[in-house]
Amino acid sequence: AQKITQTQPGMFVQEKEAVTLDCTYDTSDQSYGLFWYKQPSSGEMIFLIYQGSYDEQNATEGRYSLNFQKARKSANLVISASQLGDSAMYFCAMREGGNQFYFGTGTSLTVIP
Amino acid sequence: GAGVSQSPRYKVAKRGQDVALRCDPISGHVSLFWYQQALGQGPEFLTYFQNEAQLDKSGLPSDRFFAERPEGSVSTLKIQRTQQEDSAVYLCASRFSGAREYEQYFGPGTRLTVT
Repeated sequence: AQKITQTQPGMFVQEKEAVTLDCTYDTSDQSYGLFWYKQPSSGEMIFLIYQGSYDEQNATEGRYSLNFQKARKSANLVISASQLGDSAMYFCAMREGGNQFYFGTGTSLTVIP
Repeated sequence: GAGVSQSPRYKVAKRGQDVALRCDPISGHVSLFWYQQALGQGPEFLTYFQNEAQLDKSGLPSDRFFAERPEGSVSTLKIQRTQQEDSAVYLCASRFSGAREYEQYFGPGTRLTVT
């Protein structure tokens, strides 16, 4: 079974609108971390936001927020007030007990002016 | 300050050649990770070092892949007898000791094309 599932290969959003990128995960561990990374065409993975499995509140970082629904095992990324520079690939990832990170297949986001 | 650097940025190898990919982590970063990212996919874990010790190499796809970090700083990922399926971007990431787990910094990657 896939550890991380991202079901949206591509998404479009109008500039200044909000967009939600979906992510579901699969783990039997009680302690884990969830991450979102942005990968522009230059190739670097840029950390956006983190949610620990024991964190009771949803994580927020500026225009990014993580909609964490533990029972549903979902960790959707919400980007508010989209900007043209947000166009990139977005990866959801999870770390379980060890040091391995499991990444999803990514969602390509295009912001339309 | 300088981030994680990788060299070369692009490498073309003929099938059967050996290649060596270099990663220079951020100075003082104890943990170092290698990932393989095939076209259109997310990164997949290859191996993990803490200082010079390779603590996890469970993601290395075959015995043709070998990684080392002899002095606990620079790391080299070596692929012997390259195959077409080895074509991918190889990403390196590093993390400071005691850092929060999300404080993992990635390099720009090396794009390997095997012809």
